[in-house]
Amino acid sequence: AQSVTQLGSHVSVSEGALVLLRCNYSSSVPPYLFWYVQYPNQGLQLLLKYTTGATLVKGINGFEAEFKKSETSFHLTKPSAHMSDAAEYFCAVTDTGNQFYFGTGTSLTVIP
Amino acid sequence: DTAVSQTPKYLVTQMGNDKSIKCEQNLGHDTMYWYKQDSKKFLKIMFSYNNKELIINETVPNRFSPKSPDKAHLNLHINSLELGDSAVYFCASSRVGGGSYEQYFGPGTRLTVT
Repeated sequence: AQSVTQLGSHVSVSEGALVLLRCNYSSSVPPYLFWYVQYPNQGLQLLLKYTTGATLVKGINGFEAEFKKSETSFHLTKPSAHMSDAAEYFCAVTDTGNQFYFGTGTSLTVIP
Repeated sequence: DTAVSQTPKYLVTQMGNDKSIKCEQNLGHDTMYWYKQDSKKFLKIMFSYNNKELIINETVPNRFSPKSPDKAHLNLHINSLELGDSAVYFCASSRVGGGSYEQYFGPGTRLTVT
């Protein structure tokens, strides 16, 4: 069985500061990993994904994540937070595409 | 053009009623899903359909019945609505295989049962 753990249900950063959202997964097979963002009253939007190949993946809005197999992690980072980054962020994993497992989400607050 | 659309966006109804939520995707995807998001933002998969066939049916009360008339549509019918059914329901679609898998989500349907 697969699972996803997001450490920190709430993260606050100052505008311009580094954003780091943590995600650890468990999977018995090579996983496909995703980060989604959800703005208030909207659906989830794909930020970035890891399937195969390069372990550092870049996404939209300046976000990137690094797949570290030895640490079973897929942490999301952005060098400089912007007010518009305030949202809920979800990490997800799948192996077949039929069943996705989502983390419990991390609410990001950006302080001006 | 909206990739994944859901109707209605808001649904307010009384306990015991029966209601349906419709979902359509125009992305040519072969797999569609229904998720329930509770008040704490926790996302739980309910159903997954691949080429109109039920693939995933999580522990969901049998009052919930999905119907997929074709690959582009996956509707959710709920019988005898209960207070605990109040949540936001999201439809999603993806192309399974070919190393893709990312899901595209609809805008959600906020269901309130009174």
